[in-house]
Amino acid sequence: EDKVVQSPLSLVVHEGDTVTLNCSYEVTNFRSLLWYKQEKKAPTFLFMLTSSGIEKKSGRLSSILDKKELFSILNITATQTGDSAIYLCAVVTGTASKLTFGTGTRLQVTL
Amino acid sequence: DAGITQSPRYKITETGRQVTLMCHQTWSHSYMFWYRQDLGHGLRLIYYSAAADITDKGEVPDGYVVSRSKTENFPLTLESATRSQTSVYFCASSYSGGEYYEQYFGPGTRLTVT
Repeated sequence: EDKVVQSPLSLVVHEGDTVTLNCSYEVTNFRSLLWYKQEKKAPTFLFMLTSSGIEKKSGRLSSILDKKELFSILNITATQTGDSAIYLCAVVTGTASKLTFGTGTRLQVTL
Repeated sequence: DAGITQSPRYKITETGRQVTLMCHQTWSHSYMFWYRQDLGHGLRLIYYSAAADITDKGEVPDGYVVSRSKTENFPLTLESATRSQTSVYFCASSYSGGEYYEQYFGPGTRLTVT
């Protein structure tokens, strides 16, 4: 059974802090790993990672994949209150783009 | 409007009733998916479809039925709703299969079964 585990489950930080969210996986037929941000609505796409060691970056967010150790991290620098959300990691497996999600990390950024 | 829409956004129904959740996308994406999201479980795949008239089960298909007669629509039916089906349901679509196409999510339907 495919498994995706995220840690920590929840996190409270102060504005300006840097945070690292973790995602580990055990799946068959790995294709890619995706990060989504979910506020009080639908998940919105952040990154797709297919190759090890290549950092994807968007503003203050960055992510990297390690296919040997089977994990990914999502970094957020200089956090803002608008970063408060649930961050979801998902792994694409098989030919049908089936996503297996982790349970998410709930991030709260306080003033 | 372009994108992916779901209806209704909120629904309350009674145990044993049939209810259908609608999903419509305007991108002509081949793949469509239904997920449910529950506390402690994250998002779990119910059913997916690779094209019109092609559907397959996901992780938690029991108690649900899908159809896809047109590319743009992918309704999800609960044939006899149970309280355990109280959840938030998300529809998603993707341009194609393979690892290079992310899924786009609809706004969700919050379903309560009493």
